[in-house]
Amino acid sequence: DAGVIQSPRHEVTEMGQEVTLRCKPISGHNSLFWYRQTMMRGLELLIYFNNNVPIDDSGMPEDRFSAKMPNASFSTLKIQPSEPRDSAVYFCASSLQGNIQYFGAGTRLSVL
Amino acid sequence: AQSVTQLDSHVSVSEGTPVLLRCNYSSSYSPSLFWYVQHPNKGLQLLLKYTSAATLVKGINGFEAEFKKSETSFHLTKPSAHMSDAAEYFCVVLGSSGSARQLTFGSGTQLTVLP
Repeated sequence: DAGVIQSPRHEVTEMGQEVTLRCKPISGHNSLFWYRQTMMRGLELLIYFNNNVPIDDSGMPEDRFSAKMPNASFSTLKIQPSEPRDSAVYFCASSLQGNIQYFGAGTRLSVL
Repeated sequence: AQSVTQLDSHVSVSEGTPVLLRCNYSSSYSPSLFWYVQHPNKGLQLLLKYTSAATLVKGINGFEAEFKKSETSFHLTKPSAHMSDAAEYFCVVLGSSGSARQLTFGSGTQLTVLP
């Protein structure tokens, strides 16, 4: 099993640009989670999906952030427009029936 | 609602000595508890989990944790630290919200292993 796959691993962009982060969950898992990790705030849950449906997006910081899960094997987190304060490591995780969450290696985003 | 408190933000031990990382939880029901480890510039890896079976849980890399309901604790231990154990460790509780279940993370404990 390849585990949760995130791309890109690193992203450097300029303020105002659109950023799209991608996640492929473990095959067969039905829940998918997006987290953000910063030194100041630690790990924060942004949004999670159950059976491709967004359940709780209360952690999404602003309207600039959006997430989609068009099918069971793919999800995106988009930031438009990006700002320097969005710089963080973004993790995707998946689970089966809401049990153990398996994390991807993360995307390190730097917004200049 | 549920929460976890990691009592130490940093722990430093010498190689070969025991490791103790402390975690207290708060939950209105019998919780599921986890310890995750994050090595520098890496993702989070599950070390072990407690799900109301045996109170002493063994994980990977020689780590174990004991669930103590009377103390609402789930401390992580290892008899002998190795240099490769240097990482950040997160105590996590699993809660329910709607039709999916959410993890609540502690603030993390940075473990340093001295030669």
